[in-house]
Amino acid sequence: QSALTQPASVSGSPGQSITISCTGTSSDVGGYKYVSWYQQHPGKAPKLMIYEVSNRPSGVSNRFSGSKSGNTASLTISGLQAEDEADYYCCSYTRSSTLVVFGGGTKLTVL
Amino acid sequence: QVQLQQSGPGLVKPSQTLSLTCAISGDSVSSNSAVWHWIRQSPSRGLEWLGRTYYRSEWYNNYTISVKSRITINPDTSKNQFSLQLNSVTPEDTAVYYCAGGAGWKFDSWGQGTLVTVSS
Repeated sequence: QSALTQPASVSGSPGQSITISCTGTSSDVGGYKYVSWYQQHPGKAPKLMIYEVSNRPSGVSNRFSGSKSGNTASLTISGLQAEDEADYYCCSYTRSSTLVVFGGGTKLTVL
Repeated sequence: QVQLQQSGPGLVKPSQTLSLTCAISGDSVSSNSAVWHWIRQSPSRGLEWLGRTYYRSEWYNNYTISVKSRITINPDTSKNQFSLQLNSVTPEDTAVYYCAGGAGWKFDSWGQGTLVTVSS
């Protein structure tokens, strides 16, 4: 069981918006700004999409946005495209001896 | 643009040592802003951060508690790379292993991944 809780799957039609939640505790998501999101296509390495809750790396589409409220972080993808179909993982620093925790991943299906 | 190239065996026998190397191009392992990590992924455990090394006037390491007694991450400044050693492996250590780099607690660049199977 992963330390951060994500829905197993979400889906949406091209052009729509979806939001993926990531729930932790005050020891990780709620207590620090170090929440990041990764996109992973089958057989590929993860790719950083959002860091420090809401910052986008250079080259990542502005259709991707991040936010946080309390112990829950969220990734929103607007204007869904077929290429967005992938697994998405949240990640946070934690003050426990684990230091870093990941979510279990959410499979995004573009209908 | 940082690129990471992993190398190492894909099959390790139980009780032996898993060893992987990550060669860095586009940055320095001794950078005063970068941090270098090892992360693994398996169907049973998902993504799991293992540890990191970084240089801030001296070398530092941090390891996750679940492998702390068995893991070593070492920088190699002469070859601009860093390595992972995981001792006393069991079949539960079977996973795809990734090296990654970034600043702070984000992983900007990733290696291609190495599937390591622990089996006799």
